[in-house]
Amino acid sequence: KQEVTQIPAALSVPEGENLVLNCSFTDSAIYNLQWFRQDPGKGLTSLLLIQSSQREQTSGRLNASLDKSSGRSTLYIAASQPGDSATYLCAVRGSGDSSYKLIFGSGTRLLVRP
Amino acid sequence: SAVISQKPSRDICQRGTSLTIQCQVDSQVTMMFWYRQQPGQSLTLIATANQGSEATYESGFVIDKFPISRPNLTFSTLTVSNMSPEDSSIYLCSVDQGRNDGYTFGSGTRLTVV
Repeated sequence: KQEVTQIPAALSVPEGENLVLNCSFTDSAIYNLQWFRQDPGKGLTSLLLIQSSQREQTSGRLNASLDKSSGRSTLYIAASQPGDSATYLCAVRGSGDSSYKLIFGSGTRLLVRP
Repeated sequence: SAVISQKPSRDICQRGTSLTIQCQVDSQVTMMFWYRQQPGQSLTLIATANQGSEATYESGFVIDKFPISRPNLTFSTLTVSNMSPEDSSIYLCSVDQGRNDGYTFGSGTRLTVV
């Protein structure tokens, strides 16, 4: 059974810092991995999608990497801003019979202080 | 990518009553998914809704409590029945945009049961 873990659970940094959020998963047989952002009480906004055959994806100040063999992904945020404050969730999509399902981590709650 | 309109965005309901949440997608999709996010927790899949067939429920979720309708390829509803305070959560619908775009989520319904 796939399990997804995110570390740290919470992170507080001053504005301008570069930071890394971590995601690990127990079953390396994944279809893809997706990073989301969630503002308090709101829905999810997709940030980056990495296919199982890819090593990284970039969008603006965000860079996500994937090491499928070790069951790890990282989300790198460059030059953090107060507007980046949110909860970041990673989710994996399996490659087996339940490949349409997303399994979510518990999230990292990020606060960027002005 | 698809745009999902979800409503209501929030509601406060009396225990014992029911609430129906609606999701409208701006394009036709095969599967729609309903998730629950309890306070401080990550997302848990409730059920998968296919047009023209009964929804498939995950372990721990039953049709009597969470009836789902899927009358066409762009619309679905989730009803939370006979509510108790334990049902206070954010409920989200989602669609699979395919290999290149991943999943898209609605803006969520924040439900408080008093």
